[in-house]
Amino acid sequence: GDSVTQMEGPVTLSEEAFLTINCTYTATGYPSLFWYVQYPGEGLQLLLKATKADDKGSNKGFEATYRKETTSFHLEKGSVQVSDSAVYFCALSEVRDDKIIFGKGTRLHILP
Amino acid sequence: EAGVAQSPRYKIIEKRQSVAFWCNPISGHATLYWYQQILGQGPKLLIQFQNNGVVDDSQLPKDRFSAERLKGVDSTLKIQPAKLEDSAVYLCASSLEGYEQFFGPGTRLTVL
Repeated sequence: GDSVTQMEGPVTLSEEAFLTINCTYTATGYPSLFWYVQYPGEGLQLLLKATKADDKGSNKGFEATYRKETTSFHLEKGSVQVSDSAVYFCALSEVRDDKIIFGKGTRLHILP
Repeated sequence: EAGVAQSPRYKIIEKRQSVAFWCNPISGHATLYWYQQILGQGPKLLIQFQNNGVVDDSQLPKDRFSAERLKGVDSTLKIQPAKLEDSAVYLCASSLEGYEQFFGPGTRLTVL
């Protein structure tokens, strides 16, 4: 079945560092890909998405490119802030339905 | 626009007790989801409603879990009797059919 694998955390960086969180997926069809963020004490929020190969999703300085050849959707940000500290989930949803399959999440700590 | 509301935010019970969670989706959202998020894992779909009908409950442990969505608006999720392994965050989400899911803040359940 479909699945999502993302790098284990926690990831600890200093403010203004470059961030990469790796995500790869397995799917039978042509899924849409997502990154969700969960700030402490809050629910999941959609951070960005891409619906087809080579699409780039971006939001709040974060970017991720849908790479069909490597089945990847890595999350990047050029300069992280303390306020980016949260748990980040990579996820996919097949076109045939709207069910979301999540990775295990990566906890990010940004030090001032 | 008000978001997805859930209550209670926290619940502590003894094993074999019963517990119920409540969710009020965003107004007009026909689709409602309940997810279970165990510590260190991504959310896992338990049940999906379309209006007041069940679309998918294949991952719901029906011997102890039940859910209903009367009148196609609010929903309750019940666990009876609870086990230690039910300790998790229970997330409710809603969406317009085929569009982005919006998540509530979740209910953190601890079973002692």
